[in-house]
Amino acid sequence: DAGVTQSPTHLIKTRGQQVTLRCSPKSGHDTVSWYQQALGQGPQFIFQYYEEEERQRGNFPDRFSGHQFPNYSSELNVNALLLGDSALYLCASSLTGANVLTFGAGSRLTVL
Amino acid sequence: DQQVKQNSPSLSVQEGRISILNCDYTNSMFDYFLWYKKYPAEGPTFLISISSIKDKNEDGRFTVFLNKSAKHLSLHIVPSQPGDSAVYFCAASGGYALNFGKGTSLLVTP
Repeated sequence: DAGVTQSPTHLIKTRGQQVTLRCSPKSGHDTVSWYQQALGQGPQFIFQYYEEEERQRGNFPDRFSGHQFPNYSSELNVNALLLGDSALYLCASSLTGANVLTFGAGSRLTVL
Repeated sequence: DQQVKQNSPSLSVQEGRISILNCDYTNSMFDYFLWYKKYPAEGPTFLISISSIKDKNEDGRFTVFLNKSAKHLSLHIVPSQPGDSAVYFCAASGGYALNFGKGTSLLVTP
């Protein structure tokens, strides 16, 4: 049973560019959350999607946007990249109402 | 504003001994607490959790204790094994988001 899969695993962008990260949730899960983990920090909540709607958002600017598709997969888009956006982006899935999240291995974004 | 704090960035323990990882939180609305373990190049893996209505939860070698009045929880690993060497994150559930601490890097030496 595949867990949460994320792509790409690594990518390098330059300031001002845009990036799209993708996530497939664990089989049977219907809720997807995105987290940003900067170096030396814990994961920070970006937003959560359920039934193709953004259900809750953390303290991130509008440059960060997302989408959930009918098959529950999700994308995270970041526009106008800044050096400070360099981080590991983690996708997590769960069954709605569950407290325990299952995380993917993450997408490592480097902004030059 | 860090609502979940892990004040020890690292901890070194000998194999077979007890490892105790600590976590403090500030938001009294948190009602569920979790510990995740993370190896390099992998995502965080769920380890154990506890509801705010309990003060202890055990799962094999892992026990989590919750002291609501002190807003403090701890993870005990007994006995510690070299394979337990990883970064441990404490997380608290508030709404739909998990609030994570910065992590404690545990090294278990033979």
